[in-house]
Amino acid sequence: KAGVTQTPRYLIKTRGQQVTLSCSPISGHRSVSWYQQTPGQGLQFLFEYFSETQRNKGNFPGRFSGRQFSNSRSEMNVSTLELGDSALYLCASSVSGEQYFGPGTRLTVT
Amino acid sequence: QKEVEQDPGPLSVPEGAIVSLNCTYSNSAFQYFMWYRQYSRKGPELLMYTYSSGNKEDGRFTAQVDKSSKYISLFIRDSQPSDSATYLCATSQGGSTLGRLYFGRGTQLTVWP
Repeated sequence: KAGVTQTPRYLIKTRGQQVTLSCSPISGHRSVSWYQQTPGQGLQFLFEYFSETQRNKGNFPGRFSGRQFSNSRSEMNVSTLELGDSALYLCASSVSGEQYFGPGTRLTVT
Repeated sequence: QKEVEQDPGPLSVPEGAIVSLNCTYSNSAFQYFMWYRQYSRKGPELLMYTYSSGNKEDGRFTAQVDKSSKYISLFIRDSQPSDSATYLCATSQGGSTLGRLYFGRGTQLTVWP
């Protein structure tokens, strides 16, 4: 069974721009969660989507948003990028609580 | 205080050693406990997934949860150089928040031949 895929794998953006990251979950998984990983803060939860609805939300500003499509694929968007948004963005899919992570998108903001 | 505390190490052991990795957590509502392994420049890989207190064994890996002391452990027997990675503990309250995991900062492990 194919794993979680994320695109793009690497991204360089300029401060003030916006970015959209994509996540395709494991087939049959309806829950998709997003995390930000930085050396300073570790892995922090952004939000979770289940059946196209946001079910949980972490403590990130409104510049971070997401959505889920009917095929369970998910996107997250970050508007007005800041230097501090440079991080590895990971998505995870699950069917019964066990979360399986993708390889991540490494975002660099200059 | 972070919800999950984990000693970042680094931890360096010889091949064949028994490795003990530990985390503590603060919220007694946490019901689900996980260990992930993350190689450099890769996403975390789920190693162990347990519910409530007790032990779970999978090959060379044993996960222990002691809810009375809010303590989570992962033991690796007969450690191999291929076990060199960062190990992350994670917890969840379950229910409608099952999809929200709280992670420790990770322990960097090196197993040298």
